[in-house]
Amino acid sequence: EVVLTQSPATLSLSPGDRATLSCRASHSVGTFLVWYQQRPGQAPRLLIYETSKRATGIPDRFSGSGSGTDFTLTINSLEPEDFAVYFCQQHSNWPSFGAGTKVEIK
Amino acid sequence: QVHLVQSGAEVKKPGASARVSCKASGYTFTSYGISWVRQTPGQGLEWMGWISGYNGKTDYAEKFQGRVTMTAVTSTTTAYMELGSLRSDDTGIYFCARDGWTTVTKNDYWGQGTLVTVSS
Repeated sequence: EVVLTQSPATLSLSPGDRATLSCRASHSVGTFLVWYQQRPGQAPRLLIYETSKRATGIPDRFSGSGSGTDFTLTINSLEPEDFAVYFCQQHSNWPSFGAGTKVEIK
Repeated sequence: QVHLVQSGAEVKKPGASARVSCKASGYTFTSYGISWVRQTPGQGLEWMGWISGYNGKTDYAEKFQGRVTMTAVTSTTTAYMELGSLRSDDTGIYFCARDGWTTVTKNDYWGQGTLVTVSS
């Protein structure tokens, strides 16, 4: 089983700041890494797939990078609607999710 | 536009089964699969399994093997997930999500979620 560890658990930032979220895998997952955003009371929303490809309709302030075991989601210039919880997921092996990073308003 | 509409909330007793439906529209059902993902207070997001909309092939997470059954009815473009031998820690929100045709890839559309409460 691949365990995904996300850090930090909480990120306190202001609108306009840059957010850098980390996802570390216990074993290499190649580039089979996906990022989702979840707002309260909503289903997750696909942001990034295959490590760095933006999903349809996702603004270019969201970007993903990494490979193997270390991955990063970067959000440039946070907008008010970006304050949410972000999850990474791998599907190299049996799919698994990280515990999430909450991006909150400072 | 793509929509996945799930059935309503359920309250079940321990040991019972829960069945959640997921009605898909706006795309060719047989060209994609459906994954089921649950979100619980204790375990967060968990992938439960995947079913092909094309031929009904399934892949279940080891944790749920023997307790979960996923089916897909192409004539009604509806997927179903049944979880048996329910325990209190199965309480949570169950989501269906569109996925890859032959395997798990990415979940680009999600249902609204179905709350399943297990309580005596």
